[in-house]
Amino acid sequence: GQQVMQIPQYQHVQEGEDFTTYCNSSTTLSNIQWYKQRPGGHPVFLIQLVKSGEVKKQKRLTFQFGEAKKNSSLHITATQTTDVGTYFCAENTGGFKTIFGAGTRLFVKA
Amino acid sequence: DTGVSQNPRHKITKRGQNVTFRCDPISEHNRLYWYRQTLGQGPEFLTYFQNEAQLEKSRLLSDRFSAERPKGSFSTLEIQRTEQGDSAMYLCASSLAVLTGSGNTGELFFGEGSRLTVL
Repeated sequence: GQQVMQIPQYQHVQEGEDFTTYCNSSTTLSNIQWYKQRPGGHPVFLIQLVKSGEVKKQKRLTFQFGEAKKNSSLHITATQTTDVGTYFCAENTGGFKTIFGAGTRLFVKA
Repeated sequence: DTGVSQNPRHKITKRGQNVTFRCDPISEHNRLYWYRQTLGQGPEFLTYFQNEAQLEKSRLLSDRFSAERPKGSFSTLEIQRTEQGDSAMYLCASSLAVLTGSGNTGELFFGEGSRLTVL
């Protein structure tokens, strides 16, 4: 089964509202990766976090890795319709296989 | 196009038939992965190759599934005696695995996928 749990499963927002998805693990994560999959598309890598407490930003997207390396979050400020899709967190385990969460599907209403 | 290429993009088959999918990774990448994705779920790991060696297979991968990567270039995933439960999107990904001081890295580059429908 999947080792990382994501919440919420889906979220509807009005364009311009903020959005946050959370990724949790019962065990310490080696790293956390985030991917975005547009409807009908394939997962596309966004970022990787490795260090405890790490925070990285990409324009309106802010990624955080928890101090205990057991959780992570992705926050989108002022959503746009182009943000629609499913956001997956994933762990690259021991440098080998990458295990994905079930994803959070984001719907943005214009 | 220098991305990951998969074919066929769509395959409809009858239960009991064999199907084969092909993946051409990004040429300089040393790792190749196969994932399966069903509606509303994240990609599920099936197997991966380091060059031509198959290093791990998920227990999800029954004896009906076999993957090869001859010469460490393209890969094929064959499903024998397909069942309706095999219907899914089969995703291939490649990466250039680099060991760094702060841990292992390995961004995955996915292909568009091969959608299998078993009737």
